[in-house]
Amino acid sequence: ETGVTQSPTHLIKTRGQQVTLRCSSQSGHNTVSWYQQALGQGPQFIFQYYREEENGRGNVPPRFSGLQFPNYSSELNVNALELDDSALYLCASSLPSPGTDTQYFGPGTRLTVL
Amino acid sequence: GIQVEQSPPDLILQEGANSTLRCNFSDSVNNLQWFHQNPWGQLINLFYIPSGTKQNGRLSATTVATERYSLLYISSSQTTDSGVYFCAVERTGRRALTFGSGTRLQVQP
Repeated sequence: ETGVTQSPTHLIKTRGQQVTLRCSSQSGHNTVSWYQQALGQGPQFIFQYYREEENGRGNVPPRFSGLQFPNYSSELNVNALELDDSALYLCASSLPSPGTDTQYFGPGTRLTVL
Repeated sequence: GIQVEQSPPDLILQEGANSTLRCNFSDSVNNLQWFHQNPWGQLINLFYIPSGTKQNGRLSATTVATERYSLLYISSSQTTDSGVYFCAVERTGRRALTFGSGTRLQVQP
């Protein structure tokens, strides 16, 4: 059983550019959530995908969008990057079922916007 | 939205000491998890504990859902326990984890 993986590990972009981050969910998990963690803070929810449909969205601008594919892997896209988008982006997968909804996190992608 | 408060914000211990970390939350939850974030940013699951008590080696956790708090106990701390401990909750009817601001633990040899 493989865990949650994310790519790339690190990324440097400039203001105004676009970026795509990728996440492979843990085997058998059908739900993927994305979180943004600024330096020194706790992760903040971006959105969640369940069976290829958006299933909840945090307080993030429309510049943030996502996809989930039939194999349950996912992408996070950010357009028109701003300096404040610099953060660690974490992906979590889960298989919600009665009595448990444990989310398992990947190692993250560290994005720096210059 | 739901508020999650963790205390203390910072904790320095000598190796071998015990500690208790607290998490208070402001609404009913159907999911509560404790995580350890290592220096490389990886969030490691410690417990899924929306209610009750669990133990795993030197770590144990208790959640009293009716009083809206959870406690994480670390016994006989080791330097490898250093890092940031997060409590995260999922409000009933929502599908997002809300994290506290964390407790930064430093265990000195």
